[in-house]
Amino acid sequence: KQEVTQIPAALSVPEGENLVLNCSFTDSAIYNLQWFRQDPGKGLTSLLLIQSSQREQTSGRLNASLDKSSGRSTLYIAASQPGDSATYLCAVKGNTPLVFGKGTRLSVIA
Amino acid sequence: DAMVIQNPRYQVTQFGKPVTLSCSQTLNHNVMYWYQQKSSQAPKLLFHYYDKDFNNEADTPDNFQSRRPNTSFCFLDIRSPGLGDAAMYLCATSREQGWEQYFGPGTRLTVT
Repeated sequence: KQEVTQIPAALSVPEGENLVLNCSFTDSAIYNLQWFRQDPGKGLTSLLLIQSSQREQTSGRLNASLDKSSGRSTLYIAASQPGDSATYLCAVKGNTPLVFGKGTRLSVIA
Repeated sequence: DAMVIQNPRYQVTQFGKPVTLSCSQTLNHNVMYWYQQKSSQAPKLLFHYYDKDFNNEADTPDNFQSRRPNTSFCFLDIRSPGLGDAAMYLCATSREQGWEQYFGPGTRLTVT
């Protein structure tokens, strides 16, 4: 059974810092991995999707990497801003439905 | 803009009183999903439709039902809500199974 873990559960950084969020999964037989952002009380916003054949994807200040063999993905956020404060969830798609981690709650302090 | 819309955004129902949550999409995607998310937890898939084909997750309670009358709309029916069903309910779509999923804003359900 696929399990997805996100560490740390919460992170607080000063504005302007570069930071890395981690996601690990137990079954490397995946089709893709998706990173989402969730603001309090809101739905999920898709940030990046990495196919299993890809190593990374970039969108603006965000860069996501995937190492399928080791069961790891990272989300790199450059020059963090207070508006980046949210919970970030990763989810993997294999032969089962999308499996989510519990997320990392990020606070960027001005 | 093409999007996934959920109504209402907030729903309050009484214990045992049936409630229906609505999701619509303008993306013309084949797949529609319903997730339940409780506080500080990961979203949990309840069921999904691929076109008209309904796929129920094994551990989804019988209390939860779904209807998809056409490509654009999908409904979540909770026949007899219990206090433990209070949660955020998220609808999502994808063009095909395994493709990128797009989520709506969610419906926050409160059971009194």
